[in-house]
Amino acid sequence: ETGVTQTPRHLVMGMTNKKSLKCEQHLGHNAMYWYKQSAKKPLELMFVYNFKEQTENNSVPSRFSPECPNSSHLFLHLHTLQPEDSALYLCASSQQDRNTEAFFGQGTRLTVV
Amino acid sequence: AQTVTQSQPEMSVQEAETVTLSCTYDTSESDYYLFWYKQPPSRQMILVIRQEAYKQQNATENRFSVNFQKAAKSFSLKISDSQLGDAAMYFCAYRTLSSRLTFGEGTQLTVNP
Repeated sequence: ETGVTQTPRHLVMGMTNKKSLKCEQHLGHNAMYWYKQSAKKPLELMFVYNFKEQTENNSVPSRFSPECPNSSHLFLHLHTLQPEDSALYLCASSQQDRNTEAFFGQGTRLTVV
Repeated sequence: AQTVTQSQPEMSVQEAETVTLSCTYDTSESDYYLFWYKQPPSRQMILVIRQEAYKQQNATENRFSVNFQKAAKSFSLKISDSQLGDAAMYFCAYRTLSSRLTFGEGTQLTVNP
C-alpha cells in the first residue's frame, strides 16, 4: 500500500460509453499525475496537476478529460474511446519542490471493446 | 529536455546471481534526483532506490545498489543475490525539484530458478 488508491482496478467499456477513473491520495501531496502504460511502450505522462491546477497536458485527445476537485482526488473522465486506448492507467502523486519520489497507485486496466 | 534511456529491453539472471541494469540520462541541470522503480506483475510501481546528484556516495538499499557516474550521466542498478521476487519491469527515472518525473523505457528482468 503506497497511499495512492485507484478505482476501479479493471474496466471494460464500449466505444460509446462514458466512464470515470478515480484516484485518491492520503499523503498530503500537492501534485498528481495520470500516466498511460501500453504494452511494449514507455510510460506516457498524460496530465499533471499542481495544487489542483492543471500544469501539463501532453497532447492528450479530448476524449480524456481530467478533473482535480482538490489536492487529494484526481479523476479521468472517459468518453467515446477507441480500442487503441486500451492500456493500464496509472495515477501518481508527489510533493513538488521537495526531493521526494512519486508514489503510484495500482492502476486501472482499461479495455475498450 | 531531459531524456532517460534504458538500452536493455530485457535481462535475465540466475537466482542468487548478480545483475546490473543500465540507465543513462541527458540533462543540463546540476542538481537533480534519480530513481529506480520496480513494477512487478501486480502492476504496482514501487520505489527501489534513489540517488541525489549532489551526493558522491552511491546509494544502497539491502541487495540493491547503484553506480552513479555524474560526469558520464550514468545510473546503473545492481541487484545482488537475485531472488525470484525480483522479477519485474524496472524503470529508471529522473527529476529536478521543479520538474516532474521522466521515465526510461524500462527493462524486463527475468529471474531463473
